[in-house]
Amino acid sequence: GAGVSQSPSNKVTEKGKDVELRCDPISGHTALYWYRQSLGQGLEFLIYFQGNSAPDKSGLPSDRFSAERTGGSVSTLTIQRTQQEDSAVYLCASSLLWPPVQYEQYFGPGTRLTVT
Amino acid sequence: GQNIDQPTEMTATEGAIVQINCTYQTSGFNGLFWYQQHAGEAPTFLSYNVLDGLEEKGRFSSFLSRSKGYSYLLLKELQMKDSASYLCAVILSPGQGGKLIFGQGTELSVKP
Repeated sequence: GAGVSQSPSNKVTEKGKDVELRCDPISGHTALYWYRQSLGQGLEFLIYFQGNSAPDKSGLPSDRFSAERTGGSVSTLTIQRTQQEDSAVYLCASSLLWPPVQYEQYFGPGTRLTVT
Repeated sequence: GQNIDQPTEMTATEGAIVQINCTYQTSGFNGLFWYQQHAGEAPTFLSYNVLDGLEEKGRFSSFLSRSKGYSYLLLKELQMKDSASYLCAVILSPGQGGKLIFGQGTELSVKP
């Protein structure tokens, strides 16, 4: 596609339910990133993939969060037993290469998650 | 820990010049980014500095001093459409997980 796409654009869920967020990166981009942005806050780095591998998962807020990437393309971020503090905009980005080579991240439109 | 500081908000006049500062204290450093984010939209890339000095790109310039842990974004000939949040972000070295750490962002308001 022309850019990074994410689905759904909006998700309202009840506390305790599981949710799955999807990211389709730009074709050919090897690196993929997940961020979280709470209202009025900066971006919080969650996890990145180099190909299908996630070298560092320590940015995930808790063990209720998991992410996977298959075929070097689509990635899903899963939140189990959602809590109200999980409410945020979840942004996905992709880049052609991984640092230290200079790179540019292209962001998707985000998924706004609201936990009631 | 990792810390990035930027002013919370700034106001400037259309046509003027504004400088947005960013200071960082991180356990590793592999480059500094500036992003622009309009309300309700995703961030868009503005600049990347990894060596000391000034990088110029049209009306936008970004400066880095690694010894001082300091960067600034300079916006010239301000336009109303420049009203947005400007995010400073440091990418840690691969040995530090290669994470991208963002500041809280500076909300810039451009007045007529």
